[in-house]
Amino acid sequence: NAGVTQTPKFRVLKTGQSMTLLCAQDMNHEYMYWYRQDPGMGLRLIHYSVGEGTTAKGEVPDGYNVSRLKKQNFLLGLESAAPSQTSVYFCASSSGTERGYDKSYEQYFGPGTRLTVT
Amino acid sequence: RKEVEQDPGPFNVPEGATVAFNCTYSNSASQSFFWYRQDCRKEPKLLMSVYSSGNEDGRFTAQLNRASQYISLLIRDSKLSDSATYLCVVRPTGRRALTFGSGTRLQVQP
Repeated sequence: NAGVTQTPKFRVLKTGQSMTLLCAQDMNHEYMYWYRQDPGMGLRLIHYSVGEGTTAKGEVPDGYNVSRLKKQNFLLGLESAAPSQTSVYFCASSSGTERGYDKSYEQYFGPGTRLTVT
Repeated sequence: RKEVEQDPGPFNVPEGATVAFNCTYSNSASQSFFWYRQDCRKEPKLLMSVYSSGNEDGRFTAQLNRASQYISLLIRDSKLSDSATYLCVVRPTGRRALTFGSGTRLQVQP
């Protein structure tokens, strides 16, 4: 199993450009998440999904859109990139269905995408 | 006030030492607790869940104090490979997403 994979690993954008980050998981997980991580601020939730075709806003959703057309994929879009969106983006997934203490919410992360917006 | 607060450190300890981290959370209705480990420029990885009665996994012991709303992680016999940032993670009741602390950095020295 590859677990959670993310593409691309690195990207440099100019202000105003758009791009899509792809997250894929092969663990048949129901829940998927997108975070950004900035120095000193920890991981902040952007959007998440609790199943195919569903999405919900997290703590910092402005400037981002997401789609979950297939259970195994979760896409994060930046329509008009801004320098404030320079960050490391992590995708994660969790089963959402396992019984037993907390197993449903144990999250497994992808390797991250380092995005710079100039 | 942040939902999850941690001392950023760094904690510099010699090999073989015992070190403990605490983390406080503000939402008393929180019901799931975890410790994650993050190496420099890598993704967070689950270290252990934290159970109400406390739990141990090898050299690592996690404790939960609901009355005082804090979680602790104890690492015994520290190894060089334990050097990393340790993230305290909480899931408030009714939420499907986790809230991460900013992390405590540990540096184990030879």
